[in-house]
Amino acid sequence: KAGVTQTPRYLIKTRGQQVTLSCSPISGHRSVSWYQQTPGQGLQFLFEYFSETQRNKGNFPGRFSGRQFSNSRSEMNVSTLELGDSALYLCASSLGIGSSYEQYFGPGTRLTVT
Amino acid sequence: KNQVEQSPQSLIILEGKNCTLQCNYTVSPFSNLRWYKQDTGRGPVSLTIMTFSENTKSNGRYTATLDADTKQSSLHITASQLSDSASYICVVSLGENYGGSQGNLIFGKGTKLSVKP
Repeated sequence: KAGVTQTPRYLIKTRGQQVTLSCSPISGHRSVSWYQQTPGQGLQFLFEYFSETQRNKGNFPGRFSGRQFSNSRSEMNVSTLELGDSALYLCASSLGIGSSYEQYFGPGTRLTVT
Repeated sequence: KNQVEQSPQSLIILEGKNCTLQCNYTVSPFSNLRWYKQDTGRGPVSLTIMTFSENTKSNGRYTATLDADTKQSSLHITASQLSDSASYICVVSLGENYGGSQGNLIFGKGTKLSVKP
């Protein structure tokens, strides 16, 4: 079974631009979560989607948004990029909703904002 | 405040030696505790998941322990290999009565392990 895939793997953007990251979960997984990882803060939860509905959202500004499609694929968008948005963005999928389900992480998208 | 603290921040050991990583948490209510291994430039990979009633779980050379009374966990690596060089992240999950979401995971900042030949 193929793992979680994320595209693109690397991205360089300029401050003020917007970016869209994509995540394809493991086949059969209906829950997708997004995280931001920085050296100083570690992993921070962005949002979680299940059956095309956002189920939970972390403490991030409204510039960060996401969606999930009927095939469970998910995208996240960051508008008006700031230097502090430079990070590794990780997507994780799980079979169902709830923290008792094991999460499987993708390789991440490394975003650099200049 | 729900927190997960890991120690040490970084560790250097020689190949073949054992090591133990620590995780202390102040998370309530507790659902489960996970240890992840994250290689540089990659996503985390689950090593173990333990619930309240489990106090030891092994995965090959990795053995995790959990003391729910003292709210401490450890990850012991036996006979380390160069491929064990990675960050190890402790994650504690809030109880399901918090709404059942992966957003209820509290992440530690990780321990960076370097295994030298």
